[in-house]
Amino acid sequence: DQQVKQNSPSLSVQEGRISILNCDYTNSMFDYFLWYKKYPAEGPTFLISISSIKDKNEDGRFTVFLNKSAKHLSLHIVPSQPGDSAVYFCAASRWTGTASKLTFGTGTRLQVTL
Amino acid sequence: KAGVTQTPRYLIKTRGQQVTLSCSPISGHRSVSWYQQTPGQGLQFLFEYFSETQRNKGNFPGRFSGRQFSNSRSEMNVSTLELGDSALYLCASSSRDLGDTGELFFGEGSRLTVL
Repeated sequence: DQQVKQNSPSLSVQEGRISILNCDYTNSMFDYFLWYKKYPAEGPTFLISISSIKDKNEDGRFTVFLNKSAKHLSLHIVPSQPGDSAVYFCAASRWTGTASKLTFGTGTRLQVTL
Repeated sequence: KAGVTQTPRYLIKTRGQQVTLSCSPISGHRSVSWYQQTPGQGLQFLFEYFSETQRNKGNFPGRFSGRQFSNSRSEMNVSTLELGDSALYLCASSSRDLGDTGELFFGEGSRLTVL
């Protein structure tokens, strides 16, 4: 049962334009949603997160939007830069008080072209 | 502050062999999680250790096991290797403080190839 889904395996965007990466989830008990970025031969690095009680969080060029009624979140990158080309993983976290587990989506490969 | 360190970075094994991967978390982090990354499958959760105790476990067969030492360093072992075990194995650490976001800090991974 894939609780976190990224339905677009790849996305190509021109430099300077907006990149929009999407993620859907099924479990309404998630507390936080996170985006990670991964370059080849490196581990994922944390990008931005949002609490389930918020609907928007912004950090520089990166903004995450959360629509709880649709169980959908998106990551907007504006403007897109060639260095943004990577695989982006959406993840959802649930804290039980003693332990939590991050559930990842399958990733979206973003390519920013010149 | 040093990051998460995984060894070895690359290794090649043959079917039926076993392998042990090592992970040193960020200093002060008591939680260590292991993930398997394969093309098209994303990051699949293996298990999480906190203060030497396994707290969470993913849906992997018993051939996959792990442990955590008193200094928070962790190892994972895969016995009777199969071709399908070829993957990037990622270790991640976190402080797991009360109310944290679940943010994990990943190592660069150990790329296992099974021939």
